[in-house]
Amino acid sequence: KAGVTQTPRYLIKTRGQQVTLSCSPISGHRSVSWYQQTPGQGLQFLFEYFSETQRNKGNFPGRFSGRQFSNSRSEMNVSTLELGDSALYLCASSGGDTGPETQYFGPGTRLLVL
Amino acid sequence: GEDVEQSLFLSVREGDSSVINCTYTDSSSTYLYWYKQEPGAGLQLLTYIFSNMDMKQDQRLTVLLNKKDKHLSLRIADTQTGDSAIYFCAERPRDDKIIFGKGTRLHILP
Repeated sequence: KAGVTQTPRYLIKTRGQQVTLSCSPISGHRSVSWYQQTPGQGLQFLFEYFSETQRNKGNFPGRFSGRQFSNSRSEMNVSTLELGDSALYLCASSGGDTGPETQYFGPGTRLLVL
Repeated sequence: GEDVEQSLFLSVREGDSSVINCTYTDSSSTYLYWYKQEPGAGLQLLTYIFSNMDMKQDQRLTVLLNKKDKHLSLRIADTQTGDSAIYFCAERPRDDKIIFGKGTRLHILP
């Protein structure tokens, strides 16, 4: 079974631009969570989607948004990029026959904002 | 408040056992996890323990849970160079958001 995939793997943007990141979960998983990882703050939870509905949200500004499609694929969007948004964005999926309690992570999208 | 604490660095000689410690804050946490992150990669789930257990063993990995002290540890027996990575402890409280520690960087000495 294929793992969690994220595209693109690397991205360079400038301040003020917006960006969309994509995540395809493991087949059969209906829950997708997003995290931001930075050296200073570590791993911080952004949001979780289940069956196209946002189920949980972290403490991030409204510039960070997401959605989930009927095939469980998810996208997250960051508008009006700031330098501090430079980070590794990780997506994780769970559910199906691996159970809801374990999350499997993708390789991440590394975003650099100049 | 929500916080998972772990030491930032650990150095261990190849062949010795590594013990990575973690403390968490939410006594309602149902699951506790250990993840491994190698350079340039995402997080790999190593093992997890349900809160009604106090020990779990999986090959070279042993997880110990002390619920009273909210203390979790990961022991890696016979540490190898391939074990060099950052290890994250995480808890899952009842509201279902997984909370991660800042990670312990394990360095293997020859």
